[in-house]
Amino acid sequence: NAGVTQTPKFRILKIGQSMTLQCTQDMNHNYMYWYRQDPGMGLKLIYYSVGAGITDKGEVPNGYNVSRSTTEDFPLRLELAAPSQTSVYFCASSPGPSYEQYFGPGTRLTVT
Amino acid sequence: RKEVEQDPGPFNVPEGATVAFNCTYSNSASQSFFWYRQDCRKEPKLLMSVYSSGNEDGRFTAQLNRASQYISLLIRDSKLSDSATYLCVVNVNTGFQKLVFGTGTRLLVSP
Repeated sequence: NAGVTQTPKFRILKIGQSMTLQCTQDMNHNYMYWYRQDPGMGLKLIYYSVGAGITDKGEVPNGYNVSRSTTEDFPLRLELAAPSQTSVYFCASSPGPSYEQYFGPGTRLTVT
Repeated sequence: RKEVEQDPGPFNVPEGATVAFNCTYSNSASQSFFWYRQDCRKEPKLLMSVYSSGNEDGRFTAQLNRASQYISLLIRDSKLSDSATYLCVVNVNTGFQKLVFGTGTRLLVSP
């Protein structure tokens, strides 16, 4: 039982490039989330999903897209990377909206 | 008013000390409460859930005060390894249920 896994661990992008951050969970959780955390700041919700095929925006969705074709996977797509997207990205999952969330180890992204 | 508020600290305490953090929340209908721990440059990890009657896990005690809308975390006999940021987490319902994470209280335990 690996929990929540994320790849890559680190990535450097040039302005305008695109990439996909991968997230997989093996706990059969319906709910999955993407957060970003800037240095010294709290977590900000980017997108979330309540099940396969269903996604919705969080607080800071601009510049990102998601899809949820399976229960296990919830990739986050960055289109046209900007320096403001330099951050640590955490994926999380939970069995329900009011239950504890389990986090992946994060992806550290730098856009230069 | 923010949905969840925490004193950012840092709280500097010597090893062996007892330290307590409070966290206030604005939604009186909140039903789920948690404390998470986040080490520097790592993911948040669940420390403990907070139950209405209060609960204890080793050196850690969590309390809920619904009347004043705050939760607390008490750490006894602090260890160097307790140095971390502690996140208060509360569920809110704004048309849909979600967890709201506080920005955290930083604890530094020194020898």
